[in-house]
Amino acid sequence: QQQVKQSPQSLIVQKGGISIINCAYENTAFDYFPWYQQFPGKGPALLIAIRPDVSEKKEGRFTISFNKSAKQFSLHIMDSQPGDSATYFCAAAHGGSQGNLIFGKGTKLSVKP
Amino acid sequence: EPEVTQTPSHQVTQMGQEVILRCVPISNHLYFYWYRQILGQKVEFLVSFYNNEISEKSEIFDDQFSVERPDGSNFTLKIRSTKLEDSAMYFCASSARGKGSYNEQFFGPGTRLTVL
Repeated sequence: QQQVKQSPQSLIVQKGGISIINCAYENTAFDYFPWYQQFPGKGPALLIAIRPDVSEKKEGRFTISFNKSAKQFSLHIMDSQPGDSATYFCAAAHGGSQGNLIFGKGTKLSVKP
Repeated sequence: EPEVTQTPSHQVTQMGQEVILRCVPISNHLYFYWYRQILGQKVEFLVSFYNNEISEKSEIFDDQFSVERPDGSNFTLKIRSTKLEDSAMYFCASSARGKGSYNEQFFGPGTRLTVL
């Protein structure tokens, strides 16, 4: 119930391509869905987040798509760049949890020049 | 830009020894967290802290762990008697808001703990 399942585990994309990472959850009490980006040796950094009252949120080249009925959400990185190469984690939390983020296992993205 | 800082960056200790990991959260933040990440695995929640007390803790956060805010700036995680399986990267995070709100948590760079 508390798990967030993330796929794929790793992803290789050509420069300029679209990177897509998917996550699924079971706990319907989750109401906050952030994506974090982590570079080697660094802490996770918030990339973009969505609440379940919207189906899509876009910030620059990054878009979250949210499907409440399917309990799934995904990150799309348009025009992927080598600088996007990092590990991406989806996460979920519910408002009453004081910010206890439940993370997915991560996706290692490599963007080839 | 304000950031969360953590010291040391790497701590090596012998099994059974006590370690204290230190964090300086962003100055106007009120909610503090510890997470850990075992090498190659996902980030796991340990504990959240607000108003000088623990708000929530995970199953991982057993009696060997404790947290403290000894002064107005530092936030510490103590492991009383380290085990081999405590080897991980430990991240401190802080946020300006918490319960009932949708808060952004800012993470520090982490402390890599190696237990021999």
